[in-house]
Amino acid sequence: KQEVTQIPAALSVPEGENLVLNCSFTDSAIYNLQWFRQDPGKGLTSLLLIQSSQREQTSGRLNASLDKSSGRSTLYIAASQPGDSATYLCAVPSGGSNYKLTFGKGTLLTVNP
Amino acid sequence: DAGVIQSPRHEVTEMGQEVTLRCKPISGHNSLFWYRQTMMRGLELLIYFNNNVPIDDSGMPEDRFSAKMPNASFSTLKIQPSEPRDSAVYFCASSLGGQAGGEKLFFGSGTQLSVL
Repeated sequence: KQEVTQIPAALSVPEGENLVLNCSFTDSAIYNLQWFRQDPGKGLTSLLLIQSSQREQTSGRLNASLDKSSGRSTLYIAASQPGDSATYLCAVPSGGSNYKLTFGKGTLLTVNP
Repeated sequence: DAGVIQSPRHEVTEMGQEVTLRCKPISGHNSLFWYRQTMMRGLELLIYFNNNVPIDDSGMPEDRFSAKMPNASFSTLKIQPSEPRDSAVYFCASSLGGQAGGEKLFFGSGTQLSVL
């Protein structure tokens, strides 16, 4: 059974700092990995989707990497801003499917002005 | 596009009552998902539709839960009878394709359900 772990559970940083969020998964036979952002009381917003054949994806100040062999992914946020404050979740397909996502519990990020 | 639209945003009901949650996916998306989010269990997939057909309902907790997708632009999740342990945030999500390749998921804002 696929298990997804995110460390740390919560992170507080001053504005402008670069930071890394971690995601690990137990079954490396995945089609892709997706990073989401969730604001309080809102749904999830997909930030980056990395296919299994890719090593990383970039969108603006966000960079996500994927190492399938070690079962790890990182989300790097450059020059953090207060507006980046949210919960960040990673998700991978499980059970041999590419639609049945297993989500981590998320990392609650607070960026202080 | 307005994104995935869910209604109601909040639902408070008493144990034993029927609850119906509604979802309108993004136009042109062929896949629709219902998820449930709780503090204890995180996000769990309840059911997955592709081209209006239920493909995987293994996450539906029990017979009290049912879901339908009568057409490409509408889906419902029904709980009858509701119980306090059903209290959670229920999300609907859609994606462009289906079982091949995997695409970005687009989530609605969710329905906060409280069963008293």
